Amino acid sequence: DSGVTQTPKHLITATGQRVTLRCSPRSGDLSVYWYQQSLDQGLQFLIQYYNGEERAKGNILERFSAQQFPDLHSELNLSSLELGDSALYFCASSSGTVAIGEQFFGPGTRLTVL
Amino acid sequence: GENVEQHPSTLSVQEGDSAVIKCTYSDSASNYFPWYKQELGKGPQLIIDIRSNVGEKKDQRIAVTLNKTAKHFSLHITETQPEDSAVYFCAASLYSGGYQKVTFGTGTKLQVIP
Repeated sequence: DSGVTQTPKHLITATGQRVTLRCSPRSGDLSVYWYQQSLDQGLQFLIQYYNGEERAKGNILERFSAQQFPDLHSELNLSSLELGDSALYFCASSSGTVAIGEQFFGPGTRLTVL
Repeated sequence: GENVEQHPSTLSVQEGDSAVIKCTYSDSASNYFPWYKQELGKGPQLIIDIRSNVGEKKDQRIAVTLNKTAKHFSLHITETQPEDSAVYFCAASLYSGGYQKVTFGTGTKLQVIP
């Protein structure tokens, strides 16, 4: 158990809909990262937050947005969903207080868009 | 930006044999190289990492080597066991602009045949 929690575990929805994925980082971790993993694909970095502020953006679509709240949990919002958005979405956290270090991954949310 | 290439994409070995996975990176400023193991249905988990001031690191049956000049690093698993079967990701990381930037390879699916 990495200490990172993600909800829900599975999500099935229809095209055009909007969903929210939630992540709680490890206790004490200030940085949260979101990744997308499509079938047989690697980990595509979407966005990073540090202590409530956006720090870096990767290949995140304009239909997607995220935020990190004062209690450090983070939410990833996916709107106008398309079939191609079906994927595993992982949240990871790190302390953020050291220059480099391990990222701890949550169990992921599997999104299926029908 | 950073580009990480990982080979092979799939690897099958007999139980007890060794497995080697290779990665190359493009940004010479990268200074931290973690390896993650992802078992089916789970999030990636760090198994070993190496920093740029070290050429080799070993932890029981797992070792990682780094050649900064050639910008490549490798994961070596000796005496493979069926529980080593998983997808392995390499990554290259650097601290820049106030945040840790991590780029993952595309993954290697390792199958250990009993």
